[in-house]
Amino acid sequence: AQSVTQLDSQVPVFEEAPVELRCNYSSSVSVYLFWYVQYPNQGLQLLLKYLSGSTLVKGINGFEAEFNKSQTSFHLRKPSVHISDTAEYFCAVTPLSGGYNKLIFGAGTRLAVHP
Amino acid sequence: EAGVAQSPRYKIIEKRQSVAFWCNPISGHATLYWYQQILGQGPKLLIQFQNNGVVDDSQLPKDRFSAERLKGVDSTLKIQPAKLEDSAVYLCASSLRRQATSTSTDTQYFGPGTRLTVL
Repeated sequence: AQSVTQLDSQVPVFEEAPVELRCNYSSSVSVYLFWYVQYPNQGLQLLLKYLSGSTLVKGINGFEAEFNKSQTSFHLRKPSVHISDTAEYFCAVTPLSGGYNKLIFGAGTRLAVHP
Repeated sequence: EAGVAQSPRYKIIEKRQSVAFWCNPISGHATLYWYQQILGQGPKLLIQFQNNGVVDDSQLPKDRFSAERLKGVDSTLKIQPAKLEDSAVYLCASSLRRQATSTSTDTQYFGPGTRLTVL
C-alpha cells in the first residue's frame, strides 16, 4: 500500500519570499510522484510530475520539486512567491505496479501568500 | 480543448435523500475517475472506469454509492440514501489511457467538482 504525508497543513509566507512545501511518501513498490494545485472553487491542476531521470523537476508557474529516494521525499519549492500562488497544494503518488494509474493524495498544504 | 465538465456545482440535501452527479470527460479520454474530497483531506479515489467498464471500485461504499458510464463517455455517480458523512466535494477526472507503465503515465485532468452538503 502507499501513503503520502504532507508535513505542513498551512504555510503562511510573504510575497516575494521563497517557500518549500514538504512531502514524504511510503510505498513498497516504485511510484511516480506529482504535485497538484487547487485554486478556490476550481479543480486540481497538475504542477509537475517525476517519472524518472533528473531528480530536479521543473513545473509550471516557476515551481520545482526534488525527488529524494533515500528520504522518500518530494518537496516543492518556489524561489519567490506571488499573491496569486495562494492555493491548496497536494502531493500524490501513482504506483507503477497494477497499471491502474491510480492517484493517492496527501491531505494538502494551504499556502497563504501575504502582501 | 474543453475541460472536464461537472454538474451541478453545488447541492444541498437532507440525510436519507438521494442525489446524482454528472460528469463529461475530455473528448477522447478512455479513463474516467470519481474522487471524494472531504474537507481537510486529499481526494480519495472512489471508482475508475476504462471506457464503460469498471477497473477499480475498491473504495466505493457499494451499499449506498453507485456509478455508471454508459457508452464510455459521460458518467453519473449516485448516492442513495445520503448520510451526513457524505458531505464532500466530488471530483471527476479523465485521462487518455488507464495503464501506468515503467516509463510513462497519463496526466489526469480534473473538473471543478460538485460540493455536496448533507444536512
